[in-house]
Amino acid sequence: NAGVTQTPKFRILKIGQSMTLQCTQDMNHNYMYWYRQDPGMGLKLIYYSVGAGITDKGEVPNGYNVSRSTTEDFPLRLELAAPSQTSVYFCASSYSRSSGANVLTFGAGSRLTVL
Amino acid sequence: DAKTTQPTSMDCAEGRAANLPCNHSTISGNEYVYWYRQIHSQGPQYIIHGLKNNETNEMASLIITEDRKSSTLILPHATLRDTAVYYCIVTSYGGSQGNLIFGKGTKLSVKP
Repeated sequence: NAGVTQTPKFRILKIGQSMTLQCTQDMNHNYMYWYRQDPGMGLKLIYYSVGAGITDKGEVPNGYNVSRSTTEDFPLRLELAAPSQTSVYFCASSYSRSSGANVLTFGAGSRLTVL
Repeated sequence: DAKTTQPTSMDCAEGRAANLPCNHSTISGNEYVYWYRQIHSQGPQYIIHGLKNNETNEMASLIITEDRKSSTLILPHATLRDTAVYYCIVTSYGGSQGNLIFGKGTKLSVKP
């Protein structure tokens, strides 16, 4: 049981390039999320998904796109990379417990630098 | 979602109990209290959560006041590996919409 796996761990992009951050979970969780964390700051939600085929915007979605074709995968696409997208990106997944609580499991993060 | 207030930083001696406070005076009846921690740039790690009652698991204890306006996370025997930023989060719907507001948390430094 690998949990939440993110690739790549590190990437340097030039301004205007595009790339996809991959996220896979093997826990059969229905919810998945993408957060970004700037230095010294808390996490901000970019996009989330409540199940395959369903995605919605979070607090900071501009400049990003997502898709959820399977339960396991939730890739994050960066189009036309900008220096403001330099950050650490975390993917997470969760399921709703019978109590109603929802506990997130996070990946190790992907550190992206845009120059 | 209710806003939380945590001290910016705290120190704790290794082997002693670490008591991390959190104020959430505007919490509503359907909101859970969650605690996560983040060890030096790693992904946040879930610790514990509660609604009304005190909770304990293998990592920590969560004490919620009767009026639910504040809570305390207790690490009973802190080790150097517990040095991390601890986030107290209050949210409704169990956070299923990803509406976990992490804020800046409390930086706990466990010292030998």
